[in-house]
Amino acid sequence: GAVVSQHPSRVICKSGTSVKIECRSLDFQATTMFWYRQFPKQSLMLMATSNEGSKATYEQGVEKDKFLINHASLTLSTLTVTSAHPEDSSFYICSAMTGLYGYTFGSGTRLTVV
Amino acid sequence: RKEVEQDPGPFNVPEGATVAFNCTYSNSASQSFFWYRQDCRKEPKLLMSVYSSGNEDGRFTAQLNRASQYISLLIRDSKLSDSATYLCVVNQGYGGSQGNLIFGKGTKLSVKP
Repeated sequence: GAVVSQHPSRVICKSGTSVKIECRSLDFQATTMFWYRQFPKQSLMLMATSNEGSKATYEQGVEKDKFLINHASLTLSTLTVTSAHPEDSSFYICSAMTGLYGYTFGSGTRLTVV
Repeated sequence: RKEVEQDPGPFNVPEGATVAFNCTYSNSASQSFFWYRQDCRKEPKLLMSVYSSGNEDGRFTAQLNRASQYISLLIRDSKLSDSATYLCVVNQGYGGSQGNLIFGKGTKLSVKP
């Protein structure tokens, strides 16, 4: 089946630094990728929708200058958390559409900002 | 009103028990519905889609009531391996196009020996 590879799975960074998270579709072309964030005991919240070759669409309350999304190819989308702060510590996960109603998730990235 | 609402649980049940989860959604234009399973610190995995006529997959039965905007999941003969958080998920899909998934907070199930 369709696989989305997400890296890194876990990252610890210092406050003020930037972190890049990659999601690659391994055996299909992902024209649309969704980026979610999940805080402990909370639901997955959509941050942004990225379409290959165009600017991402951000959800209300998500700072586009802080969470940079690049979807330059049909198999790669990246999320960069710029100037990370402890409140950005969360579980970040990508999802790609696969067919009419299929979605495949990456394995997630647990970000801890210290 | 939250878009997708679930009882957070936890549901603590013995092996072999039958357990039911409920979910309500607020957007009547929602087009497709799913139950996902999420293990601790892992990504969600699709358990089953939910169809208007109701559908069954082994020990799992899903029901959808569009009029009441209500979705259910029934698990029969619970196994220890069923312990996880079950997410009710709705795809709003505006204008016939596929949209993003809206997740409930999840219902935690713990099956005890």
